Amino acid sequence: AQSVTQLDSQVPVFEEAPVELRCNYSSSVSVYLFWYVQYPNQGLQLLLKYLSGSTLVESINGFEAEFNKSQTSFHLRKPSVHISDTAEYFCAVTTISGGYNKLIFGAGTRLAVHP
Amino acid sequence: DTGVSQNPRHKITKRGQNVTFRCDPISEHNRLYWYRQTLGQGPEFLTYFQNEAQLEKSRLLSDRFSAERPKGSFSTLEIQRTEQGDSAMYLCASSAPGGGSGANVLTFGAGSRLTVL
Repeated sequence: AQSVTQLDSQVPVFEEAPVELRCNYSSSVSVYLFWYVQYPNQGLQLLLKYLSGSTLVESINGFEAEFNKSQTSFHLRKPSVHISDTAEYFCAVTTISGGYNKLIFGAGTRLAVHP
Repeated sequence: DTGVSQNPRHKITKRGQNVTFRCDPISEHNRLYWYRQTLGQGPEFLTYFQNEAQLEKSRLLSDRFSAERPKGSFSTLEIQRTEQGDSAMYLCASSAPGGGSGANVLTFGAGSRLTVL
């Protein structure tokens, strides 16, 4: 079975500062990894994903995450955050198999960007 | 492509009543998932459909819960005899048929928030 641990439940940060949201996973087989973002009273939006290829993946709004297989991590980073980045961020994992792709989510990290 | 649509967005009901939520996936997606999200937690898997077949049900899905996808398009999630512990956001997601990279990416709806008084 797979599991996801998001090490920080809340991360407060000042605007324009860098941020890292940590995610570790556990799986005995190869995985795909995802970060989703959830704004208040909304559903989840895909932020970025690692399926294969380069271990460093980027989103269109400046976030990046690096797949580290040896450390079983997929930390999310942004060099300079904006007020609008305030949201809940969820790390998720699914196994690479011939079947369907059930996502297993972490508990989430609430990013609060202060002016 | 109008995305994944869920209705109603909010439902307030009294304990013991039945409620039904509807999900309309992206039209070309044959895979459909239901998740439940409680306050301060990540989404938890409830059930999965491939076309009209329900292929997996979580242990979270008690006998009071039933999900259907009769024609392989929209899906419904019914909760009978609601309890206060059922209060949560119910999320629906869909993904493309297997074989392509899109099959690995779930697109979520905005969710249906249930409050049981």
